[in-house]
Amino acid sequence: DAGVTQSPTHLIKTRGQQVTLRCSPKSGHDTVSWYQQALGQGPQFIFQYYEEEERQRGNFPDRFSGHQFPNYSSELNVNALLLGDSALYLCASQKMDMNTEAFFGQGTRLTVV
Amino acid sequence: DQQVKQNSPSLSVQEGRISILNCDYTNSMFDYFLWYKKYPAEGPTFLISISSIKDKNEDGRFTVFLNKSAKHLSLHIVPSQPGDSAVYFCAAEGNSGTASKLTFGTGTRLQVTL
Repeated sequence: DAGVTQSPTHLIKTRGQQVTLRCSPKSGHDTVSWYQQALGQGPQFIFQYYEEEERQRGNFPDRFSGHQFPNYSSELNVNALLLGDSALYLCASQKMDMNTEAFFGQGTRLTVV
Repeated sequence: DQQVKQNSPSLSVQEGRISILNCDYTNSMFDYFLWYKKYPAEGPTFLISISSIKDKNEDGRFTVFLNKSAKHLSLHIVPSQPGDSAVYFCAAEGNSGTASKLTFGTGTRLQVTL
């Protein structure tokens, strides 16, 4: 059983560019959340998708947007990249109607230069 | 505003001894707490959780204690092993019985020495 998979694992972008990160949830999970982890910090919640809609959102600007597909996979898009967007981006999946732990992918390391 | 705090950035413990990692929270709406372990270049891995209706949960070498009145939880690892060396994150959720966002602390780096 594949767990949560993210692609790509590493990415280098230039300021002002746009980036798309991808996530496939663990089998049987229908809810995907995205987190940003800056160096030396804990993961910060960006948003959560369920039934192809954004269900919750953290304190991130509109430059951060997402999408969930019918197969429950998800994308995170960041526009007009800033140097401060450099971080590890983590995807987590869960089943919405169960009080169980979130499973995380290995993350995508984004570097903005 | 840091709603979940891990005030010890690092901890060093000898193999075989007990490791105690602490976490404090401020939001009284949190009702489910989790500990995650993270190795470099990997995503966080779930370790153990506790609901606010309990004060203790045990799983093998890992025990989590919750003191609701003090808004404090701790993770005990006994005996500590070198493979336990990692960064440990405390996380909290106000879940209402469904999947909800996690609020994380800044982590404690545990080093288990021989």
